[in-house]
Amino acid sequence: DAKTTQPTSMDCAEGRAANLPCNHSTISGNEYVYWYRQIHSQGPQYIIHGLKNNETNEMASLIITEDRKSSTLILPHATLRDTAVYYCIVRVREGATSGTYKYIFGTGTRLKVLA
Amino acid sequence: DGGITQSPKYLFRKEGQNVTLSCEQNLNHDAMYWYRQDPGQGLRLIYYSQIVNDFQKGDIAEGYSVSREKKESFPLTVTSAQKNPTAFYLCASSDTGRETQYFGPGTRLLVL
Repeated sequence: DAKTTQPTSMDCAEGRAANLPCNHSTISGNEYVYWYRQIHSQGPQYIIHGLKNNETNEMASLIITEDRKSSTLILPHATLRDTAVYYCIVRVREGATSGTYKYIFGTGTRLKVLA
Repeated sequence: DGGITQSPKYLFRKEGQNVTLSCEQNLNHDAMYWYRQDPGQGLRLIYYSQIVNDFQKGDIAEGYSVSREKKESFPLTVTSAQKNPTAFYLCASSDTGRETQYFGPGTRLLVL
């Protein structure tokens, strides 16, 4: 019961911006969107997260639509080292009043940065 | 050098044997998690623990067991009851209140 839908794969030219879309049309009002990336056979690396405002850090920018049904991760100047699988994840609460949260992973987008 | 360590990197098991995967963190995080990843798939939650001496089943707990006797350690045992144990296993931890999870390098388990 993945809550996110992403393209299976994308290519991006080195030095250009990589825009990775994610659909999360069933997201609830208090559920955050997280982005991680995973290089082959390594643990996922945290990139960024947000609730409803756009966010930016040293790695990327996250643009969330006003209705929160979709978002886009932007890598402003992609390099060959950005080649990885990118996961858009919804963080959900376990139970109505629980203080426990869990991640719902989809299958991710395989981004290939081309020289 | 703070972080999460998992050992071993590769693990081979004979059918019918139990095997334990190690996960240690020195981030002083309260919560720890175990995930399973199959080829071409996302991660699925096996077990998680919010505090010492307490843990909860995730979405695919059958055939697995855990313990949380120390804050920094959360070992996972893959039992003989797990019918398809070959997978990549990932451990993560998070600070209660912040909820961002940080992952270890993973252990690849192969059943011979």
